Amino acid sequence: KAGVTQTPRYLIKTRGQQVTLSCSPISGHRSVSWYQQTPGQGLQFLFEYFSETQRNKGNFPGRFSGRQFSNSRSEMNVSTLELGDSALYLCASTGQGARDGYTFGSGTRLTVV
Amino acid sequence: GQNIDQPTEMTATEGAIVQINCTYQTSGFNGLFWYQQHAGEAPTFLSYNVLDGLEEKGRFSSFLSRSKGYSYLLLKELQMKDSASYLCAQGEYGNKLVFGAGTILRVKS
Repeated sequence: KAGVTQTPRYLIKTRGQQVTLSCSPISGHRSVSWYQQTPGQGLQFLFEYFSETQRNKGNFPGRFSGRQFSNSRSEMNVSTLELGDSALYLCASTGQGARDGYTFGSGTRLTVV
Repeated sequence: GQNIDQPTEMTATEGAIVQINCTYQTSGFNGLFWYQQHAGEAPTFLSYNVLDGLEEKGRFSSFLSRSKGYSYLLLKELQMKDSASYLCAQGEYGNKLVFGAGTILRVKS
């Protein structure tokens, strides 16, 4: 079956702009979580959605937001981009339980200039 | 993750066995995950421990001791393709994963 699909793969934005990233989970998976990966901070949890509800949120400013649609697809938005937002943004989906692990998408590489 | 410690880098020889350790301070977690990440790629799930003990999956095994705040990933019969970053992560409520900084494993011939 198809894996987790993230679009776009690469993005270049200017400081102050906003950006929307998309994540389509594995069919049947209702949980989607988002992570930011940078060389300095590693993988950091942004938020998680389950059945269109945000259940958990990491320690990121309010400029980072997300949502989930009824088909489980999720989007995250970053407003007023800063240079430090340059990172690989990964989403992961999971099905019935943690034992199956979380499947990550290939990510969106965001560069802010 | 600020509460999860892993060695930064390790080097091992093809065909050998290597153990990557992970220690943590936060005890209230659901389970302990190990992920593999090749450069420029997404992390891939290797193993999950919820109870103390050893979980074996082919060449990879993972161990957890909650009382000692300790986990390890054991890789046997190392292959060149095992060169990657190995990430230890705690699972928390709401499918949140808290990752360690990762261990870069270099396999040499």
